[in-house]
Amino acid sequence: AQTVTQSQPEMSVQEAETVTLSCTYDTSESNYYLFWYKQPPSRQMILVIRQEAYKQQNATENRFSVNFQKAAKSFSLKISDSQLGDTAMYFCASSFRDDKIIFGKGTRLHILP
Amino acid sequence: EAGVTQFPSHSVIEKGQTVTLRCDPISGHDNLYWYRRVMGKEIKFLLHFVKESKQDESGMPNNRFLAERTGGTYSTLKVQPAELEDSGVYFCASSEWLSGRALETQYFGPGTRLLVL
Repeated sequence: AQTVTQSQPEMSVQEAETVTLSCTYDTSESNYYLFWYKQPPSRQMILVIRQEAYKQQNATENRFSVNFQKAAKSFSLKISDSQLGDTAMYFCASSFRDDKIIFGKGTRLHILP
Repeated sequence: EAGVTQFPSHSVIEKGQTVTLRCDPISGHDNLYWYRRVMGKEIKFLLHFVKESKQDESGMPNNRFLAERTGGTYSTLKVQPAELEDSGVYFCASSEWLSGRALETQYFGPGTRLLVL
C-alpha cells in the first residue's frame, strides 16, 4: 500500500529561523510525484512545492526547498527565513500512478514573533 | 482566475438528514476530485471524475454517498442519510487533463466543514 508519514504533529519556531518538516513515504512505483501543501488558518489549501521522482535535483520555490532522498523515501521541506504568514498546517503528499493524492496527517507549524 | 469554490463552507445537520455539498472546479479543468478529512486523521481520497464520468470511486465509504457531475462542470456530493461518522471536512480539487492523463498538480477548494449531530 502507498503511504505517506509525517512524524511531527506540531512544531514552533521563531520568526526568521529555518525550520525543516519531515516526511517519509512508501511505494513500489518507480514514477511518482511528491508535494507539500500548506493550509493556513483561513483553510484554503495551496500547493507549496512539488517534486517529480525521476528528477534528482531538489525543487526550490523562493524560501521553500525540499530534500528529496529517493533511496531513503524521504521528502523533507525546509523553510528558510520563516515568516509569520508561514503559520499553517503543512501536508506532505504523493501522487502515484492512479493520480489520486495520498496525504500524510500533517504538521501544524507555528511561527512565533 | 477563480479558484476552486465549495458551498456551503459549513453545515450542521442531525443524524439521518440529507446534505448536499457542491464544488465548482477551475474553469477548463476536466478532472475533479473529492477528498475528506475526518478529525485527527489523514485527508482521504473519495472519488475522481474525468468530465462527467467517474474515473475512480474506490474511496467512497458506502452507498450513503452519491457524487454527480452532470455536464462535466460542477459536482455535488450528497450524503443520505448522514451518520455521526460522516463529520469532517470535505475538500474538492481539480486539475487539467492533457495528453490522455491528469496533470499531477491538483488545486484545492477551501473545504466544507460538515458536522453531524
